[in-house]
Amino acid sequence: DVKVTQSSRYLVKRTGEKVFLECVQDMDHENMFWYRQDPGLGLRLIYFSYDVKMKEKGDIPEGYSVSREKKERFSLILESASTNQTSMYLCASSHRVRHTEAFFGQGTRLTVV
Amino acid sequence: AQSVSQHNHHVILSEAASLELGCNYSYGGTVNLFWYVQYPGQHLQLLLKYFSGDPLVKGIKGFEAEFIKSKFSFNLRKPSVQWSDTAEYFCAVTPALYSGAGSYQLTFGKGTKLSVIP
Repeated sequence: DVKVTQSSRYLVKRTGEKVFLECVQDMDHENMFWYRQDPGLGLRLIYFSYDVKMKEKGDIPEGYSVSREKKERFSLILESASTNQTSMYLCASSHRVRHTEAFFGQGTRLTVV
Repeated sequence: AQSVSQHNHHVILSEAASLELGCNYSYGGTVNLFWYVQYPGQHLQLLLKYFSGDPLVKGIKGFEAEFIKSKFSFNLRKPSVQWSDTAEYFCAVTPALYSGAGSYQLTFGKGTKLSVIP
């Protein structure tokens, strides 16, 4: 079974803190993605990575950065957390080959107070 | 870049009613298309996918979708819904052919919440 594991289900952080969200996949996937999910807005892509050390901005990268030092791990970093970054964060992975689906983690619900 | 539009925000049906959820995408080239489902409290999982070939695609739990290239549409259907189909449904698109790193981007619509009344 493909597994995408996010390090925390729930996080509460203070405004201005630096926040790290970690994601690990065990299927040797090249592509990894970070989305945020908000009611009525669906899934919005923050960043994705198609290889180690490679990253591409998605639709809403402002206020976020990412790190991909190892193939199986993709980290999302909130440099200085703000209340408008309170959201559900979803990590996904897929093979780079065109004909493939993405597999999702359980999500991290981040609250910034 | 591609985009996805899902027409209905919230659909309410009685059990045994037929379902059709609309999905239109915007992209100038060949695409791969997906429908994902998110049951309450659970992670997203794949319902069905279209890559090529027969435009009528069958997925899990009796769902199917039809790709109509001329309409840029990929609507999801089920002849008879059950209470257990209550969930949020997401349509997604990714370019089918490589044209740079952006080709790996997987773009979702805003989702349609389905409530099935017993």
